[in-house]
Amino acid sequence: DSGVTQTPKHLITATGQRVTLRCSPRSGDLSVYWYQQSLDQGLQFLIQYYNGEERAKGNILERFSAQQFPDLHSELNLSSLELGDSALYFCASSVEGTNTIYFGEGSWLTVV
Amino acid sequence: GESVGLHLPTLSVQEGDNSIINCAYSNSASDYFIWYKQESGKGPQFIIDIRSNMDKRQGQRVTVLLNKTVKHLSLQIAATQPGDSAVYFCAEKTSGTYKYIFGTGTRLKVLA
Repeated sequence: DSGVTQTPKHLITATGQRVTLRCSPRSGDLSVYWYQQSLDQGLQFLIQYYNGEERAKGNILERFSAQQFPDLHSELNLSSLELGDSALYFCASSVEGTNTIYFGEGSWLTVV
Repeated sequence: GESVGLHLPTLSVQEGDNSIINCAYSNSASDYFIWYKQESGKGPQFIIDIRSNMDKRQGQRVTVLLNKTVKHLSLQIAATQPGDSAVYFCAEKTSGTYKYIFGTGTRLKVLA
């Protein structure tokens, strides 16, 4: 157990809908990262937050957004969902000053 | 279910043999590297890391070798066990950035 908690573990929704994925980082970690893992693209970096502020942005679609709250948990919002958004979405966290990031178990999103 | 694509390179080894998993990284400015293990349906799990000022680092049954000249990283697993069956990813990070770039992964199958 990495200490990073993600909910829900599984989610099935229809095209055009909106979902929110939630992540609680490890205790004491200020940085949160979101990654998407799909069958044909491996682990793709989406976005990183540090202590509530956006720090780095990757290949995140405009339909997707994220935020980190004062209690350091983070949410990834996916809207106008398409079939191609079906993937595993991982959250990871790290302590400032270290390089290692620790992953949660992921949220399986299936868009039908 | 499987969390990684079906088109990964696969390494099959006999139980008890040593495994060597290779990774070519892309950025000569990357200065930190991590190996992750991902079991089916789970999040990537940290195995071992290495900084660019090192050529080799050893952990418990694992060794990471870094060749900066050819931008190559390898993970050696000694006395491979059935529990080592998983997909292995390398990740690279550049100093001053917060973005980890993951390789496509290698599936390790341990044969009894």
